[in-house]
Amino acid sequence: AQKVTQAQTEISVVEKEDVTLDCVYETRDTTYYLFWYKQPPSGELVFLIRRNSFDEQNEISGRYSWNFQKSTSSFNFTITASQVVDSAVYFCALIPLISGGYNKLIFGAGTRLAVHP
Amino acid sequence: GAGVSQSPSNKVTEKGKDVELRCDPISGHTALYWYRQSLGQGLEFLIYFQGNSAPDKSGLPSDRFSAERTGGSVSTLTIQRTQQEDSAVYLCASSPLFGEGVGGTEAFFGQGTRLTVV
Repeated sequence: AQKVTQAQTEISVVEKEDVTLDCVYETRDTTYYLFWYKQPPSGELVFLIRRNSFDEQNEISGRYSWNFQKSTSSFNFTITASQVVDSAVYFCALIPLISGGYNKLIFGAGTRLAVHP
Repeated sequence: GAGVSQSPSNKVTEKGKDVELRCDPISGHTALYWYRQSLGQGLEFLIYFQGNSAPDKSGLPSDRFSAERTGGSVSTLTIQRTQQEDSAVYLCASSPLFGEGVGGTEAFFGQGTRLTVV
């Protein structure tokens, strides 16, 4: 089965707190891509990061960091020193690269993050 | 254009009417997706076009929904005999397939069409 699980439906934090959004995926394929997207209140979906299955290096981009662990099939996203502008719904997604089959983008249900002043 | 373009941006229709939603993907993107997002909900997969392969229609909620992609570019999502539960934002996305072009396989989304059935 190909599946992405974001167990946290909603998270509420106070500004400057660190927050981690969990993402667990399932795939039988050895080659796949993982993604995070942000959907602010305005509604557009904004691409944040892509990671392929052969690159387990963690990545940091400003206040954002991602922890990819194949051993636990997780691709967690941490926001350090959260800000009100981080308030959004965050989606984790997977593309399994099935040879000869559909390479379809599969989304998790999303985590709604509310950052309060 | 540089991004995925969807039209119309807003559509209000009467129950029972047919509607067509249009998506212009990024030029050269082989893969095209349609999703539906009801208010406050996640992304519901509808249909996926991958190159010249038969589309994956497994997400279409009923036979009132259909989609086509002409010439591997523009896609139209058609909803026949609309119902109030069809009210949602319909999102289109396109991406290159693995190994095509540059930049990888991330999907780029349009702004969506907000459909309201009254």
